[in-house]
Amino acid sequence: QKEVEQNSGPLSVPEGAIASLNCTYSDRGSQSFFWYRQYSGKSPELIMFIYSNGDKEDGRFTAQLNKASQYVSLLIRDSQPSDSATYLCARGRGSTLGRLYFGRGTQLTVWP
Amino acid sequence: EPEVTQTPSHQVTQMGQEVILRCVPISNHLYFYWYRQILGQKVEFLVSFYNNEISEKSEIFDDQFSVERPDGSNFTLKIRSTKLEDSAMYFCASRSDRGDGYTFGSGTRLTVV
Repeated sequence: QKEVEQNSGPLSVPEGAIASLNCTYSDRGSQSFFWYRQYSGKSPELIMFIYSNGDKEDGRFTAQLNKASQYVSLLIRDSQPSDSATYLCARGRGSTLGRLYFGRGTQLTVWP
Repeated sequence: EPEVTQTPSHQVTQMGQEVILRCVPISNHLYFYWYRQILGQKVEFLVSFYNNEISEKSEIFDDQFSVERPDGSNFTLKIRSTKLEDSAMYFCASRSDRGDGYTFGSGTRLTVV
């Protein structure tokens, strides 16, 4: 089973709040995980990638990975209206250089 | 910042016609991919390409599809006989060998009428 599941939302948070986006996966062979942001009609933009259990922080973004629970999340601190977009979770299997399997995405709206 | 360039940005074609979508990956990247996204659906893998050959392809990538790297910079996706269900955004992507994620191009919106 290759599915990547995301809560479809939409998720709506006020400006300045923490947005929490979640993703589960069923393939235990998954080794690498990616979060992409996609504005309407645009291509996906890489936000973060994570390979190891635990947290990885980059500016306002924190990715969390728990391989035992097959769960990966993205936290966005101090959310801004410009963060309003669809967030795509993707996983890679085995080699980090192979294909990615994408979830359907979670639509986030940050209101002023 | 280096970019993956795709042309055209939008193409309208009649059913049964051949289309070629073009991509210029980032110059020092070695791995190339095509993905597509039907409106409102998830991003789907089509094919990966490395060292001048296909390294993996999905069940979507049937005999109607082909890829080519005709020179040192371009990477193309050809659809021989388009169907209505081929209407989608087609994304080219490339990556280095560092495994730190793809860079996607801006996409080609293909509309088959």
